[in-house]
Amino acid sequence: EIVLTQSPGTLSLSPGERATLSCRASQSVSSNYLAWYQQKPGQAPRLLIYGASSRATGIPDRLSGSGSGTDFTLTISRLEPEDFAVYYCQQYGNSPRTFGQGTKVEIK
Amino acid sequence: QVQLVQSGAEVKKPGASVKVSCEASGYIFIDYYMHWVRQAPGQGFEWMGWINPNSGDTDYAQKFQGRVTMTRDTSINTAYMEVSRLRSDDTAVYYCARGSEITGTTTGFDPWGQGTLVTVSS
Repeated sequence: EIVLTQSPGTLSLSPGERATLSCRASQSVSSNYLAWYQQKPGQAPRLLIYGASSRATGIPDRLSGSGSGTDFTLTISRLEPEDFAVYYCQQYGNSPRTFGQGTKVEIK
Repeated sequence: QVQLVQSGAEVKKPGASVKVSCEASGYIFIDYYMHWVRQAPGQGFEWMGWINPNSGDTDYAQKFQGRVTMTRDTSINTAYMEVSRLRSDDTAVYYCARGSEITGTTTGFDPWGQGTLVTVSS
């Protein structure tokens, strides 16, 4: 099973700042089938990025994904109030699909 | 719009079974895989498996094999996930999530159902 390790665990930033979230896989992710999700308290996750760098429908271009192989990054160029949440990466190229443990982006 | 609506919260005793439903609308049900994922309180996500609504084929995570059954009823665009022999550590929010188009581009899980809280307690 592919283990995904996200860092940092918590990111304390102010609105307008840049956020950089990391996701490292224990082995290469097949075809870069790596997704990023946002989850807010009491809500279901929302797909942000798939295929490592493709934005899902309706996702603003201040969010971007990059990386390949075992190292992936989610970047939020300028944090808006609605961006403060928990972010998870997921690989869906191998079975079992696995998720990282999450990075919380909180208001500083 | 594409939407997944799940059944309501359940409270079960250890050893019992629970069956959660997930009704799909806004797209062709049989054209997309359906996945099930759970999230224990304050924890991350655990993938349980998928069903191909067209063929009924399934793929379960090894951890859940023999205890989880995924089915579907194409006449009402609904997927089901049943967990048997429940234990206290099965207490979690269970989500259905639409996966990739069966004959199309491989994508992430989008959208997700609202979640169903299953509490296992004596």
